[in-house]
Amino acid sequence: NAGVTQTPKFQVLKTGQSMTLQCAQDMNHNSMYWYRQDPGMGLRLIYYSASEGTTDKGEVPNGYNVSRLNKREFSLRLESAAPSQTSVYFCASLSGRVGKTNEKLFFGSGTQLSVL
Amino acid sequence: SQKIEQNSEALNIQEGKTATLTCNYTNYSPAYLQWYRQDPGRGPVFLLLIRENEKEKRKERLKVTFDTTLKQSLFHITASQPADSATYLCALEGSGGYQKVTFGTGTKLQVIP
Repeated sequence: NAGVTQTPKFQVLKTGQSMTLQCAQDMNHNSMYWYRQDPGMGLRLIYYSASEGTTDKGEVPNGYNVSRLNKREFSLRLESAAPSQTSVYFCASLSGRVGKTNEKLFFGSGTQLSVL
Repeated sequence: SQKIEQNSEALNIQEGKTATLTCNYTNYSPAYLQWYRQDPGRGPVFLLLIRENEKEKRKERLKVTFDTTLKQSLFHITASQPADSATYLCALEGSGGYQKVTFGTGTKLQVIP
């Protein structure tokens, strides 16, 4: 049982290049998330997907696109990378249901992205 | 605008003492609040969830309170140990529904032996 798997772990891009961060979960969770973490800024929500077939913007969606490929997979795409997108990116999935006591996020190990 | 604020400065305490971390929020009406622990280079790990109709929740040496009038949660670690040193983050359900989970900036705790 791997939990939440993110790839790659590290990536260096040049300004203007594109790339896709991959995320998969094997816990049959409905909701999945992409966050970025910068020093002193905490975790900021980029996009989330409450269920298969739906995606919604978070706090900082500009410059990103997402795809909920199926229930397991949720990818994050940078079409034209900018130095401001240098950050650590975390994917997560949410267990539980409304009204229950077991809602919690499970996180991947993160992707360290540098844009030069 | 919506804000979730935690002490941005690191909290240093002596081993054995109780650490108290604060989470304040504005323009949220959350059904629940969560606390997570994050170690350097790793993703956050869930610790506790407290609902809006609960005043207090405990788990081993951890205690969380939730005051919806003050719009504040307090997170306590009793008998703190050096192994408790980490960054602690609070998280709330956002206005988009229970699935939209947003985080505070986190507080770094250092327990000194």
